[in-house]
Amino acid sequence: QITLKESGPTLVKPTQTLTLTCTFSGFSLSTSGVGVGWIRQPPGKALEWLALIYWDDDKRYSPSLKSRLTITKDTSKNQVVLTMTNMDPVDTATYYCAHIIYLGRGFDYWGQGTLVTVSS
Amino acid sequence: EIVLTQSPGTLSLSPGERATLSCRASQSVSSSYLAWYQQKPGQAPRLLIYGASSRATGIPDRFSGSGSGTDFTLTISRLEPEDFAVYYCQQYGSSYTFGQGTRLEIK
Repeated sequence: QITLKESGPTLVKPTQTLTLTCTFSGFSLSTSGVGVGWIRQPPGKALEWLALIYWDDDKRYSPSLKSRLTITKDTSKNQVVLTMTNMDPVDTATYYCAHIIYLGRGFDYWGQGTLVTVSS
Repeated sequence: EIVLTQSPGTLSLSPGERATLSCRASQSVSSSYLAWYQQKPGQAPRLLIYGASSRATGIPDRFSGSGSGTDFTLTISRLEPEDFAVYYCQQYGSSYTFGQGTRLEIK
């Protein structure tokens, strides 16, 4: 059974750096083809893909946010970490992590999401 | 970057009716790496369709996907009350962009 759960601060100040952790179970990020991605959703708005990391440490980033994002993995802890620099109120959103297989079925398992509010 | 445009923005139908949702890509989606998701309020998205036309595990057969290249369609043959939600398409062949969503509401 695959599960994912996001954790991190619920409130950050403008200009600060956000660090989110996705802790998962039921699969290994050392298995060929496996990846974990991050997706966000501002209140009442659409989904936006942010970043993704594959089993071989291949990292992909949204072109519009690439300069602000870093994604890393800790295979031994079954965790993926996303950092986003220079946070702004427009970054207020629910942040999801999700499981994917390379060129497989899209994001087939999702975490419950965590709401991050950016405000002074 | 491939841009996905969904139409209509909102679709108002009654239970038992047929729903047809469209997703158009700005460039051809390679090998039909196109997925559809359903999202209900307060919940994470749920994968419905992948590879443009394959149903994910546990998805009822009233949901079907079709299309290739730049034009894709999600069809719900007979709407059930639990089908009223927001639907997103996503391409995962070149980057991982989502469409802006179609809200399916009860008429």
